[in-house]
Amino acid sequence: AQSVTQLDSHVSVSEGTPVLLRCNYSSSYSPSLFWYVQHPNKGLQLLLKYTSAATLVKGINGFEAEFKKSETSFHLTKPSAHMSDAAEYFCVVRIHTGFQKLVFGTGTRLLVSP
Amino acid sequence: NAGVTQTPKFQVLKTGQSMTLQCAQDMNHEYMSWYRQDPGMGLRLIHYSVGAGITDQGEVPNGYNVSRSTTEDFPLRLLSAAPSQTSVYFCASKGGASDSYEQYFGPGTRLTVT
Repeated sequence: AQSVTQLDSHVSVSEGTPVLLRCNYSSSYSPSLFWYVQHPNKGLQLLLKYTSAATLVKGINGFEAEFKKSETSFHLTKPSAHMSDAAEYFCVVRIHTGFQKLVFGTGTRLLVSP
Repeated sequence: NAGVTQTPKFQVLKTGQSMTLQCAQDMNHEYMSWYRQDPGMGLRLIHYSVGAGITDQGEVPNGYNVSRSTTEDFPLRLLSAAPSQTSVYFCASKGGASDSYEQYFGPGTRLTVT
């Protein structure tokens, strides 16, 4: 079965320092992977997606993620955190059969301090 | 375009009451779905539709009904509300099956069942 595991429920960084949000996936075949962000009391917004093209994927707001098949990882990074990055981040895998639904990780809350 | 809209934003129900959560999109998307979000569990798929007149169950369909009489609307019905249905509900739509289509989420409905 396809699934994702987000390794940290909370990550705290200082403004201006790098961000690393970790995600491992499980999939029988080449997965489609996504990162979504949810700001407080808001809906979800797509940050970036990997669909078997380039392994380094650039998204919005300076975020990027690297697909590493050997490590079954799809970690989200940003060189320099901004206060507005404080939100919950979801790693998501798309199931390739049937409806091709999205399977969400449990989320990582990013806290950014001044 | 308004995108994906959901009403109401908040709702409190008593156990056993019924209600309908409304979802509409104005992007002429074929794919629509309902998710619930619970703390520490990410989002889970309740029901989905791949076009008008076609619906199917997701991971957690019990206690919920859906219908898709038009492309634009995809209401979610709670037949007899239970405290276990206290959650935040998100409606989503997508133009097609391919990953080239982004999935758009509504702002959510926060439901409390007492």
